[in-house]
Amino acid sequence: NAGVMQNPRHLVRRRGQEARLRCSPMKGHSHVYWYRQLPEEGLKFMVYLQKENIIDESGMPKERFSAEFPKEGPSILRIQQVVRGDSAAYFCASSPNELAGLNEQFFGPGTRLTVL
Amino acid sequence: AQTVTQSQPEMSVQEAETVTLSCTYDTSESDYYLFWYKQPPSRQMILVIRQEAYKQQNATENRFSVNFQKAAKSFSLKISDSQLGDAAMYFCAYRSASGGSNYKLTFGKGTLLTVNP
Repeated sequence: NAGVMQNPRHLVRRRGQEARLRCSPMKGHSHVYWYRQLPEEGLKFMVYLQKENIIDESGMPKERFSAEFPKEGPSILRIQQVVRGDSAAYFCASSPNELAGLNEQFFGPGTRLTVL
Repeated sequence: AQTVTQSQPEMSVQEAETVTLSCTYDTSESDYYLFWYKQPPSRQMILVIRQEAYKQQNATENRFSVNFQKAAKSFSLKISDSQLGDAAMYFCAYRSASGGSNYKLTFGKGTLLTVNP
């Protein structure tokens, strides 16, 4: 059973370009979470999605950032007009259903975004 | 809002020795979950151990154990018989058990553990 897949693992963009980060959850998982890890910081929650629904995007910057999890295909985190401050590692996690008890969020390996 | 504090940016331990990583948190909730994650140089986040707040008994997973002090809001991780493969960044994390945001993990800033041969 393959784990959470993220691609690309490394992404370099120039200021003003768009970045698209992809996350394929574990098989059978329909809940996806995105976190951002700035340099020398812990991970911070960005957004929680279920298939075709954004449940909570309270951690996402109001501008330039968007996320989707379509009925078919991976979840996409999109950053428009990237700036240097967007440089970070972006992690995706998934769970089979709504988290309860000690149920675990399974993390992917992350995408490291570098903005030149 | 909950906060998680890891006061040790870096720690080191000799191979086969024991090391304890500190974590404190702030919350007004009575029911919640606490986790320790390991992030090796590959950056993959790996769950090490987890604890339910309403369980008094400290969780253990092989060489890893926690000291959970609910009144003090402290959740330290003890690694016994340290191995070279334990070298990594360790993150303490909190998750609420109730309310509308019980899926969010709140992480500390991490402790970088070095294991010396």
